Amino acid sequence: KAGVTQTPRYLIKTRGQQVTLSCSPISGHRSVSWYQQTPGQGLQFLFEYFSETQRNKGNFPGRFSGRQFSNSRSEMNVSTLELGDSALYLCASNPGGRYEQYFGPGTRLTVT
Amino acid sequence: QKEVEQNSGPLSVPEGAIASLNCTYSDRGSQSFFWYRQYSGKSPELIMSIYSNGDKEDGRFTAQLNKASQYVSLLIRDSQPSDSATYLCAVNPGNQFYFGTGTSLTVIP
Repeated sequence: KAGVTQTPRYLIKTRGQQVTLSCSPISGHRSVSWYQQTPGQGLQFLFEYFSETQRNKGNFPGRFSGRQFSNSRSEMNVSTLELGDSALYLCASNPGGRYEQYFGPGTRLTVT
Repeated sequence: QKEVEQNSGPLSVPEGAIASLNCTYSDRGSQSFFWYRQYSGKSPELIMSIYSNGDKEDGRFTAQLNKASQYVSLLIRDSQPSDSATYLCAVNPGNQFYFGTGTSLTVIP
């Protein structure tokens, strides 16, 4: 099976702009989670989607949003970018429930 | 209290030695436990999963789970320089994955 894919892999944006990141899960996986990883904060949970519904949400401001499509692909949007949003954004998929979760390669976002 | 706690390290071991990584968790209802390896600049890679008390072995890796003590560990036998990475412990009580901050491991040739 193909793994989790994320696009784009690298992105440079300016403060105040918005950005959309995309994630395609492993075939058959219905759950997609998004994480932000920075050197100082480690892996921070953003939200999880399951069958097009947001099931869990982390402690991030409303500028961070996401959605999931009927084919389980997911997008994450960050509006009004701030310098502190510079990070590696990781998407992970799992079949649902308590089973293994697999990560994509990540999107490295730099905000200048 | 954090859901998952790990020693941040760094942990240094000589090549060929056993590396021992530890993790504690707070939710007694946790059912699933995972170890991920993350190389610098890369995404986490799943290396072990364990669901029941006891030991689970996969090659040079052994995961140990003690639900009564809320403790999970990872042993790496015959450590190699290529094992140098950050190891993340993850726990799933059934509804969400919780990650520790990771332990940095360096294997010295």
